[in-house]
Amino acid sequence: QSALTQPRSVSGSPGQSVTISCTGTSSDVGGYNYVSWYQQHPGKAPKLMIYDVSKRPSGVPDRFSGSKSGNTASLTISGLQAEDEADYYCCSYAGSYHSPWVFGGGTKLTVL
Amino acid sequence: EVQLVESGGGLVQPGGSLRLSCAASGFTFSSYWMSWVRQAPGKGLEWVANIKQDGSEKYYVDSVKGRFTISRDNAKNSLYLQMNSLRAEDTAVYYCARDCDPRQCQTGPFDYWGQGTLVTVSS
Repeated sequence: QSALTQPRSVSGSPGQSVTISCTGTSSDVGGYNYVSWYQQHPGKAPKLMIYDVSKRPSGVPDRFSGSKSGNTASLTISGLQAEDEADYYCCSYAGSYHSPWVFGGGTKLTVL
Repeated sequence: EVQLVESGGGLVQPGGSLRLSCAASGFTFSSYWMSWVRQAPGKGLEWVANIKQDGSEKYYVDSVKGRFTISRDNAKNSLYLQMNSLRAEDTAVYYCARDCDPRQCQTGPFDYWGQGTLVTVSS
């Protein structure tokens, strides 16, 4: 199972919006509506930000939103804040008969 | 409050073995799938293995099949990862995370994580 493809880095100024893409195949991202996104600050454990493509867990600001088209999922962060600077990882379900979960390589978000 | 606390990491020589543990509290452990996810130094997240609520189903990433074994003890609210024939490329922080079958759960996979335990494979 190959890792999902994410851009290595993205950046934006405070108040702006940024979008992080996550490209897989029809066997993972394109085949299921089970894409999740995680935020990780340096030295910390990841935090779930989006699941089932576009659902937000309780406590996650509505500035974070998710979507999917074909084999590509996207995380959009609007109204960028300094504390959003972190690494972001996508993850997709890939079926129950092999390795069920596959992560993306991660994207470093820099708030300028 | 949900808590996941990993232990058992350390320095081990190539070819050696190590057993990681994860103590869970604050939720009904026996009702959830559980996973191990690792992160090599300076690298991204990699899902390693997961186990069904009753231990009847286990899945592994190809790179650890035949070397790692995931298990759980619901009476002790504990998750384990037995790692044998360790290689340098297994060096990583290993996280325990609450998992779910996405077709059935309401909260999303990996909604809670431990703080991680570092495994270093080196001579």
